[in-house]
Amino acid sequence: QQQVKQSPQSLIVQKGGISIINCAYENTAFDYFPWYQQFPGKGPALLIAIRPDVSEKKEGRFTISFNKSAKQFSLHIMDSQPGDSATYFCAASITGSARQLTFGSGTQLTVLP
Amino acid sequence: GAVVSQHPSRVICKSGTSVKIECRSLDFQATTMFWYRQFPKQSLMLMATSNEGSKATYEQGVEKDKFLINHASLTLSTLTVTSAHPEDSSFYICSARDWPDTQYFGPGTRLTVL
Repeated sequence: QQQVKQSPQSLIVQKGGISIINCAYENTAFDYFPWYQQFPGKGPALLIAIRPDVSEKKEGRFTISFNKSAKQFSLHIMDSQPGDSATYFCAASITGSARQLTFGSGTQLTVLP
Repeated sequence: GAVVSQHPSRVICKSGTSVKIECRSLDFQATTMFWYRQFPKQSLMLMATSNEGSKATYEQGVEKDKFLINHASLTLSTLTVTSAHPEDSSFYICSARDWPDTQYFGPGTRLTVL
């Protein structure tokens, strides 16, 4: 019940295209959903995060869409660039004393020039 | 965003020695820090939750006597890998939680045990 399932495992997109990564969860107690970007040999960097009280959040080229009833959320990267090539992780946490993150398995995005 | 540093970024040691990794939150105070381990092309695996001034909480299967965690101040947590063996070789990443939920990650430490 603590799992967050992420798909696809890998994604190849042409420059200028839209990259879409999906995540699904089971635990309805999750109330914070961040996305992280990780380059090889580096730590994850926070991209954008959302809470269940909104259905969409946009920051620059990155948008999170959230569907509470379906228990799904997705990351959309508009106008994808080669520099966006990285591994993306979705995550979820429950408000509480520790607020540990439960991570998805990751999506390796390659944007072709 | 907030900055978390880790030191060292890379360490090579002989089997049987101990290695200490430092994690610092540079521009905010973190009552809670987390330690993760990451294998190549895999997701992050939570090892332990570190709370300032109290004992760390370890995830199931993580040996607390091998991976010693100390959170002595609101900006510093350390992970000591004791009596390291080649199977401990991995990428170790810390994160610090800024109020209320956001976790900021350090750049990671690549440990190689010969």
